[in-house]
Amino acid sequence: KAGVTQTPRYLIKTRGQQVTLSCSPISGHRSVSWYQQTPGQGLQFLFEYFSETQRNKGNFPGRFSGRQFSNSRSEMNVSTLELGDSALYLCASSSNTGRSIDYGYTFGSGTRLTVV
Amino acid sequence: AQTVTQSQPEMSVQEAETVTLSCTYDTSESDYYLFWYKQPPSRQMILVIRQEAYKQQNATENRFSVNFQKAAKSFSLKISDSQLGDAAMYFCAYLGNQFYFGTGTSLTVIP
Repeated sequence: KAGVTQTPRYLIKTRGQQVTLSCSPISGHRSVSWYQQTPGQGLQFLFEYFSETQRNKGNFPGRFSGRQFSNSRSEMNVSTLELGDSALYLCASSSNTGRSIDYGYTFGSGTRLTVV
Repeated sequence: AQTVTQSQPEMSVQEAETVTLSCTYDTSESDYYLFWYKQPPSRQMILVIRQEAYKQQNATENRFSVNFQKAAKSFSLKISDSQLGDAAMYFCAYLGNQFYFGTGTSLTVIP
């Protein structure tokens, strides 16, 4: 069973540009969530999508957005990049349909974004 | 908001020995889940063990076990018979309506 796939693995962007990251969940998983990991702030929740609908959102500015497609693949977009957006962006997929968990959350290997 | 605290930034253990990583959390919710994730240099977060808050019995997965004290809001991870492959960053995580992570404990295994 293929795991969670995140592309690209590494990305270098210039301040002010925008970027789109992709996450393909485990087959059959309908929930995809995104996280930002930085040395200073640790792991922080960005948002979660379930069946193409944003179910929950963390405390990030509107420059961070996402969407989920009918095949459950998700994209995250960051506009007007700032130096502080440099981070490892992780996504996780889950089959959960509510507050209960069937198999837990499976994480991808992340996209390392560097803003210069 | 919920908070997760890992008070040990770094820990070390001799190979084959036992180590315990600490985690406390703060919540007013009664229904939640707790996890320990391992993040090796490959960056992928790997699930080590999970605990449903409504279950009183402590979860166990092979060499990994937890000591879940709900009233004290404590969720420690015990690794028995430590192996070199256990070296990684370990994150304690709380899941209510979203994940909250601790700041991590870097575990070194000494041969």
